[in-house]
Amino acid sequence: AQTVTQSQPEMSVQEAETVTLSCTYDTSESDYYLFWYKQPPSRQMILVIRQEAYKQQNATENRFSVNFQKAAKSFSLKISDSQLGDAAMYFCAYRSPYQGAQKLVFGQGTRLTINP
Amino acid sequence: NAGVTQTPKFQVLKTGQSMTLQCAQDMNHEYMSWYRQDPGMGLRLIHYSVGAGITDQGEVPNGYNVSRSTTEDFPLRLLSAAPSQTSVYFCASSPQGRNSPLHFGNGTRLTVT
Repeated sequence: AQTVTQSQPEMSVQEAETVTLSCTYDTSESDYYLFWYKQPPSRQMILVIRQEAYKQQNATENRFSVNFQKAAKSFSLKISDSQLGDAAMYFCAYRSPYQGAQKLVFGQGTRLTINP
Repeated sequence: NAGVTQTPKFQVLKTGQSMTLQCAQDMNHEYMSWYRQDPGMGLRLIHYSVGAGITDQGEVPNGYNVSRSTTEDFPLRLLSAAPSQTSVYFCASSPQGRNSPLHFGNGTRLTVT
């Protein structure tokens, strides 16, 4: 079974600076999908970015980018020019292509605080 | 667009009571699922469905029941509530497609006393 580990329960960063959230995973599969979700205090789950394992190029969405290291099974999220609205819980998630589309395996989450 | 709608937003139950958490989506998604979120544990899959009439168990199915009679609705039933089921519950849906992201409802906070 796959596992996802986020080793940083909490992180903080000054507004306008850059922060990197860590995520590692364990799998024996060669093809899979990785996601980062954001959960603000409203409790809503919002997709931030996704990465397909067979694509070597790191995904980017505006100020959010990932560092995908397939051999190391690492999928970190970099947030540039941090804004107060980025404060939230962030979850890393893994999905196998061989199982149902709904079978996401989540990490424990990292709570990100933005200091003004 | 309503997306995925969960009701109620909050619920308090006594041990042994039963209840149904409602979930409806208006995006004609084939896949629907239920997750629970507990502090320090992320989200864990309870049950899921790949289409009307088809359901299967996830990682933590004990104490929960589901059915999928229509594409739109996927209710989650707690048969006899226990304090260990105190959690935040999320319903999610997704179209077919290996890279399709989940669309989540806004969650239900359930407390069992």
